[in-house]
Amino acid sequence: DTEVTQTPKHLVMGMTNKKSLKCEQHMGHRAMYWYKQKAKKPPELMFVYSYEKLSINESVPSRFSPECPNSSLLNLHLHALQPEDSALYLCASSQRTGGGLGYTFGSGTRLTVV
Amino acid sequence: GENVEQHPSTLSVQEGDSAVIKCTYSDSASNYFPWYKQELGKRPQLIIDIRSNVGEKKDQRIAVTLNKTAKHFSLHITETQPEDSAVYFCAASNSGGGADGLTFGKGTHLIIQP
Repeated sequence: DTEVTQTPKHLVMGMTNKKSLKCEQHMGHRAMYWYKQKAKKPPELMFVYSYEKLSINESVPSRFSPECPNSSLLNLHLHALQPEDSALYLCASSQRTGGGLGYTFGSGTRLTVV
Repeated sequence: GENVEQHPSTLSVQEGDSAVIKCTYSDSASNYFPWYKQELGKRPQLIIDIRSNVGEKKDQRIAVTLNKTAKHFSLHITETQPEDSAVYFCAASNSGGGADGLTFGKGTHLIIQP
């Protein structure tokens, strides 16, 4: 298995909702990442997990809450989002942090906040 | 932190001609430089990468060159084909153990004219 799987592919949520994005990989990668990508912009790093521990939080608002339950799973919990949070959320994984060997992106979750 | 500049923002070339996209980076500690191709609505896909101990790398029609002294790296695509049309992103990171993800350039929209 050489893929990063993200669910759901599309999500529409209201500003008072709580939802979660899920990411899974079975490549034995020990670094996992969340990126946010707005239309016609590059991906922007949000969080880095290294060996299931949060190692980087790029000043992301607390309405985004990451969780890494084990070495294969990465979640992003969403609460009280704003319309400007609408974007493509990409998960990625690699054998080590800093974009080392096997850096792979998932297909993303397209989030719309209404 | 790292800052990556990418030029041009849009590049239009005739089918069969070559395309060159250039990036500069600011952090001399960066040592890993991948290039991604992203088609509309899809995930970024790694097309080639280079590490700082190498000056040039080639894979069929695609090549990347790195000048560490000047802190710039370039993507070269020869014999362009219509399916090369996409947005291309360069990125940089320190994969030497510092727990950071990828910093992306703003992207180049490559248009292959038939």
